Parts: sequence; structure tokens; C-alpha cells
Amino acid sequence: GQSLEQPSEVTAVEGAIVQINCTYQTSGFYGLSWYQQHDGGAPTFLSYNALDGLEETGRFSSFLSRSDSYGYLLLQELQMKDSASYFCAAPDTGGFKTIFGAGTRLFVKA
Amino acid sequence: EAQVTQNPRYLITVTGKKLTVTCSQNMNHEYMSWYRQDPGLGLRQIYYSMNVEVTDKGDVPEGYKVSRKEKRNFPLILESPSPNQTSLYFCASSLSGSFYGYTFGSGTRLTVV
Repeated sequence: GQSLEQPSEVTAVEGAIVQINCTYQTSGFYGLSWYQQHDGGAPTFLSYNALDGLEETGRFSSFLSRSDSYGYLLLQELQMKDSASYFCAAPDTGGFKTIFGAGTRLFVKA
Repeated sequence: EAQVTQNPRYLITVTGKKLTVTCSQNMNHEYMSWYRQDPGLGLRQIYYSMNVEVTDKGDVPEGYKVSRKEKRNFPLILESPSPNQTSLYFCASSLSGSFYGYTFGSGTRLTVV
């Protein structure tokens, strides 16, 4: 079956850089998305990587390596408000369904 | 404002009592989907719709029904709710399928007793 694996928790210090990894197993692959979800809130879309390489959007960057079946979300200059859960997601083989990872809870400490 | 609107936000019901959770989007998106979120399991797709009158099962469709009679609306129906359907539900839409970022509704927290 298809699956996305990511660490359950990551802790980092305010102002630091943190990387959240996502490895995937899919029989067909179209790209990797990232979402942020604060407690009690809805997921919000952060980025989508269709091709290998790094995509940068402000303090957040996302990377994809198709050959390694691996991607990551990089958060720089961490702020307390970045404390949230982060999900990687990918379309399934047919491209019609989306599979989400179980999520990584990020704790930012002062 | 571009948004996905879900109602109700909170719902407590009894086993077997039919209920509908409404979802509406104002972005003219073709693709809409329902997810449930449970601790440690992430988001699991219940049903999705590629366009009006086109729906298909996600990974956990048992016990749910959907319909897409209009492009903007995609209600989720629980004909006979059971306690294992207690969960946080999200409706989402996107421009076209899974390749674009989803816009999620605010969520519906459902408790079935």
C-alpha cells in the first residue's frame, strides 16, 4: 500500500532552524505537499513539490528527492507561533485521492 | 473571501440518528473531499468528488454517504451514526484534484453517544 512516514514530534528553540522529514512509499508519485495545523484549527496549505529540488516561501522551504522517496520541510528563524502539527501529503497512484502522513508535532521553546 | 464553510462546528448525537454535515465553497473549485482526523492517524479521506455528480470512495468510506448536486456543495451524510464515527471532520476543496493545495473548512467535531 501507499504510506508516508514522518516523525511524531520535533522540538526546537526559538530562532533556530528545524527540518521535518517525510519518506513515502507509493506505486506512482506525483509530488509532495505540506500542511500546517494549529491546535483546534484547520490544516492550511504550505507548499507543493512536483519536481526534485528546493522550493522557498519566506521562512519555509520544502525539498523533494524522488530518487530517495524523501522530502522535508525546513522552517527557519523559528517563532513561537510555528508550534503546530505539520503534515506531508501526496496524491495516490491514480492522482484522485490524497494520502496524508500522521503528522509531526513541532514544539518551539523559548 | 475565498473559503470553505462547514456546519455545524460541533455536534453531539445518539447512535442511529441520521445526520448531515454541510460543506460549501465559494471558489468555483471542481474537486471537493471529506476527511476525518483521529489522534495519531492523521487525515483519512472518506469520499471525494471530481465534479458535479461525480463522486468516489476514499480510504474510509464505510458508514458515510455524499452527494454533489451543485458545484459549490458537498454534504456528508451519516445514515446511522455509530460511536466509532466520533471524530473531527474536515471538508476540503481544490482547483483540480490532488495536485493543488487544498483549502479546508474549519472542521466539525462530531460525538456519537
